[in-house]
Order: sequence, then structure tokens, then C-alpha cells
Amino acid sequence: QVQLQESGPGLVRPSGTLSLTCAVSGGSFSSTNWWSWVRQPPGKGLEWIGEIYHSGSTNCNPSLKSRITMSVDKSKNQFSLELSSVTAADTAVYYCARGYQVLLGYYGLDVWGQGTTVTVSS
Amino acid sequence: DIQMTQSPSSLSASVGDRVTITCRASQDIRNELGWYQQKPGKAPKRLIYAASSLQTGVPSRFSGSGSGTDFTLTISSLQPEDFATYYCLQHNGYPRTFGQGTKVQIK
Repeated sequence: QVQLQESGPGLVRPSGTLSLTCAVSGGSFSSTNWWSWVRQPPGKGLEWIGEIYHSGSTNCNPSLKSRITMSVDKSKNQFSLELSSVTAADTAVYYCARGYQVLLGYYGLDVWGQGTTVTVSS
Repeated sequence: DIQMTQSPSSLSASVGDRVTITCRASQDIRNELGWYQQKPGKAPKRLIYAASSLQTGVPSRFSGSGSGTDFTLTISSLQPEDFATYYCLQHNGYPRTFGQGTKVQIK
């Protein structure tokens, strides 16, 4: 049973960089799956941020692309998100999730972490 | 971007009611859509994948239908634990996009 766990600072200063890590346990990180980030501002809906493959290939939301860096650490079974030049609008709960993919196709986000709250404030 | 228009944004219903939530895509997304349930303070939980396939462990009162641009999530007999917010998510194109959400409240 694959489990995901986000970690990172809960408070980031404006204009700083938000850095989060998602640890993958209970399954092979270097499988055919994509590893994704989703966020949810307080009281609002869900926004897809981007995804990374174990090879390092990425797909990002164009609305955030210029500020996003994603990476993988296969030795630690984890992947990471960096969001630069943050403002109060980046305050949100950030989730990591698995995008399930097998030979026959991609089947969407099936396993989610519990989420971590990040507040941008001075 | 593919826009996902979800309706209604909220609804009030009673235990035992049949509830229907719809998502309309701005272009053909085949069956590449999932439905999620989110309770306050919790991560989303997938109920339906590939538009109509029930996720393992999800009660059979949940069902999904549709293909192309129009999709429906149905709860056949609403239970107390079903009061939550529901989202659709398309994965046909990039960026992946969610519907705005439907909050199901107690009448």
C-alpha cells in the first residue's frame, strides 16, 4: 500500500522560496507512475501544480511554471517542489499525489498525502 | 486549458436522497476523468476513475457516468458520511484541471 507524506516549513516569507518534500513508502518510486503536487488555498478549490517522473521529466501548470522547480531523489524515495517569489496568494494546503500509470495508460491521481499547510507571511 | 464546469456549486439534501452532480468539459476528454470526495481538513479521496469505474473500497451507492464532455456523479442513497465537497478532475490534457467543487450539505 503506497503512502505519501509531505514535509516542509509551515511559514515562508514573502518573496522567498517555498520548499516541500514528499516521501513515498510502501511501493516502488521508480515505477511507471507520475508524482504530482496539488494545492488548495484556504476555503477554495483544488489547483494542479505539476508532476514529475522518476527520470526527472516534468509537466507544470503554465500559471506557475516560471516559479516552479521539481526534482526527484530516487535514493531516498522522495520528490520535491520549490516555488519561488512567493506571495500571500501562495498560502495553501499543499498535497502530493500519485498519478497512476501502467502500460495501458494513465489513470489519474489515486493516492494522496495528508497535506501540509504553508503560510506566506512576514 | 480545458475548463471543467461543475454544477451545482452546493446542494442541500436529506439522508436517503438521490444526488446528482455534473461536470462539463470545454472539449472532448474521452473518459479521462475522476471524481473525488473531500471532507474538512482531509485530503481528497478518489471515488471514481475513468469516468465510471468504482475505486476499490468505495461503496456501491456511488456511480459515475459520461464520456466526451458531459459527466455525472450519482449518490443513489445519501448517507450521513457523504456530506462533503466533491470535485471532478480531468487528465486528458495539460494542465490537469479540477471542477470548482460541489458542497453537499444536510437539509
